[in-house]
Amino acid sequence: GAVVSQHPSRVICKSGTSVKIECRSLDFQATTMFWYRQFPKQSLMLMATSNEGSKATYEQGVEKDKFLINHASLTLSTLTVTSAHPEDSSFYICSASRQHSGNTIYFGEGSWLTVV
Amino acid sequence: GESVGLHLPTLSVQEGDNSIINCAYSNSASDYFIWYKQESGKGPQFIIDIRSNMDKRQGQRVTVLLNKTVKHLSLQIAATQPGDSAVYFCAEGVQGGGNKLTFGTGTQLKVEL
Repeated sequence: GAVVSQHPSRVICKSGTSVKIECRSLDFQATTMFWYRQFPKQSLMLMATSNEGSKATYEQGVEKDKFLINHASLTLSTLTVTSAHPEDSSFYICSASRQHSGNTIYFGEGSWLTVV
Repeated sequence: GESVGLHLPTLSVQEGDNSIINCAYSNSASDYFIWYKQESGKGPQFIIDIRSNMDKRQGQRVTVLLNKTVKHLSLQIAATQPGDSAVYFCAEGVQGGGNKLTFGTGTQLKVEL
């Protein structure tokens, strides 16, 4: 079946540095992917909608200059957390929908970011 | 300073019993609803979905009920097993809304042996 893969699954970075997280749809093309953030014991919060070939659409309160999204191909979206701070430590999850199969939504396994 | 973490609502059930997890949604325009299971440290796994033209849908050991009048959704798990222990989230969306989902707060299901 369709799979959405995220890399890395865990990353630790120093405060002030940038880190990139990849989201790939492994056997289907996804014109739209979504990025969510989840803090411990909390729900998933939508950060932005990643659109292939165009700018991402950010949710209210999400800084677009801090969370850079690039959707350069139909199978890859990247989220770059720039100038990371400890409060950016979270679980980042992407999703993609497979068109022409009921628009089933598939989630990646998530990426744990720890900023020290 | 010290941060205070939120605590998910918890449902504890005995193995073999039926579980009912409830969810209230907020958007009257939502017409597509999904239940997800999330195990610790992993991404959400699809369990079952339902569209607003239905009141009930059944899967393997799971049933979803939708009450649009009071904007309420429930997930019933029959013969709950230890492997069902996880956090369960409902999510709502609008068809034609590009598969953008809004997640509920989640319920921690604990299955006791």
